[in-house]
Parts: sequence; structure tokens; C-alpha cells
Amino acid sequence: DVVMTQSPLSLPVTLGQPASISCRSSQSLAYRDGNTYLSWFQQRPGQSPRRLIYEVSSRGSGVPDRFSGSGSGTDFTLKISRVEAEDVGLYYCMQGTHWPWTFGQGTKVEVK
Amino acid sequence: EVQLVESGGGLVQPGGSLRLSCAASGFTFSTYWMHWVRQAPGEGLVWVSRINGDGSSTSHADSVKGRFTISRDNTKKTLHLQMSSLRVEDTAVYYCASETHWAPDYWGQGTLVTVSS
Repeated sequence: DVVMTQSPLSLPVTLGQPASISCRSSQSLAYRDGNTYLSWFQQRPGQSPRRLIYEVSSRGSGVPDRFSGSGSGTDFTLKISRVEAEDVGLYYCMQGTHWPWTFGQGTKVEVK
Repeated sequence: EVQLVESGGGLVQPGGSLRLSCAASGFTFSTYWMHWVRQAPGEGLVWVSRINGDGSSTSHADSVKGRFTISRDNTKKTLHLQMSSLRVEDTAVYYCASETHWAPDYWGQGTLVTVSS
């Protein structure tokens, strides 16, 4: 199975400041159709996961534009341009290129 | 509005069985791949099972293969997960999710399965 490794696992942030989470895969996530199936999910405390980003950099419906995704091959990044209080929670990357789907271990974003 | 509502969770003894359901609304259910993803207490997300739109293709994670069966009833817009030979390590919140762009898109609120004697 493809191993997804996130860093850091804990990210203390200052409201209004940027934040960045890294995700690395054990194999390239580029698929033969030209797409790269890397997604990011947010899970607020006590809630279900919510998809923020799909195919590396496409924002989901209703996702604020302060969230952005980038990367290629095996290295990916989720950036929050200015952290807001509602962004506190867990963030997961997930690869959909190889079966089975696998998730990163999660990064906990909390306010300093 | 897309809604996915899971039900059927509860407390079951090791070796027991349970059937989870997920009622879908707000989208053309029969045209979407559907998935079950679980999350053990305090742990991360783990993909469990998937099924295609007409139910003719399924697959399961190795950890549940031979014990769990995913199915769907498109006339009732409902997804199911039949779980048998349950183990303590199957304890988790089970989410159903629809798929777009090769990833879970909409998620339900989850149903808690606790396997304990």
C-alpha cells in the first residue's frame, strides 16, 4: 500500500498568519491519464471530514480561497493563507491513484 | 442538498455481526461509486470498502476482506455494510461517502460501532 506521511503532526498557529502542511507519498501519485489524485480533508472537532482540495489543487465547492494545494509526484502541500479560528482541527491528505486509497496520519492545527 | 445518513451502529460482542446502512438523498445515487471509511477512537481515517454505481463491482480492504460485504439498493437509495466475525479492532466510527474525482466527496455524520465483551 502507498504510505502517506504528513508533517508536522501538530501545528500551532497564530490567527491571521499563514500555515502549511506537507504530505509525502511512498510512490508517485501521477496517473497515466495525466491527473494526480491527491486530496486534502479537514475534520473539525466532533465533525465528519470535509473535502477541501482534490486533484492536488482544485478547491471543493464552498471552500474558502485561503486554502490552496500544490505539488506533484510524491510531494504535496496544503497552505492556509491566513488562519481563522474555524480552521482549527485535523487535516488529512489522501491518495486515490493507487488501490487501496490511503490517508496520511493527520495534522492537528491549533491556535497558539 | 446532498445528504448521507448512516444508521445501524451499536455495541456488539467479538465474533458478532452488524449491518450498517446509509440513506442517500439530493443526488443521483445510482450513478456514483460509494465508499465506507472508518475512524477508530482518536485515530486517523481508513478506507474500508467501495462499490460501483450498479453494484456489480466491489472491493474491500485486506483487514476486512472475507468478513465485511458492501452492497447497495438503488431503488431505495441506500448503501449497506454487512459486518460479521467482528473484532475489537473493528471498533470505529463508520462513515459512508460518495466519490468524485477519485476521492470521498460528501460524507455522512458517521455511526459508531463498538466491539467489546
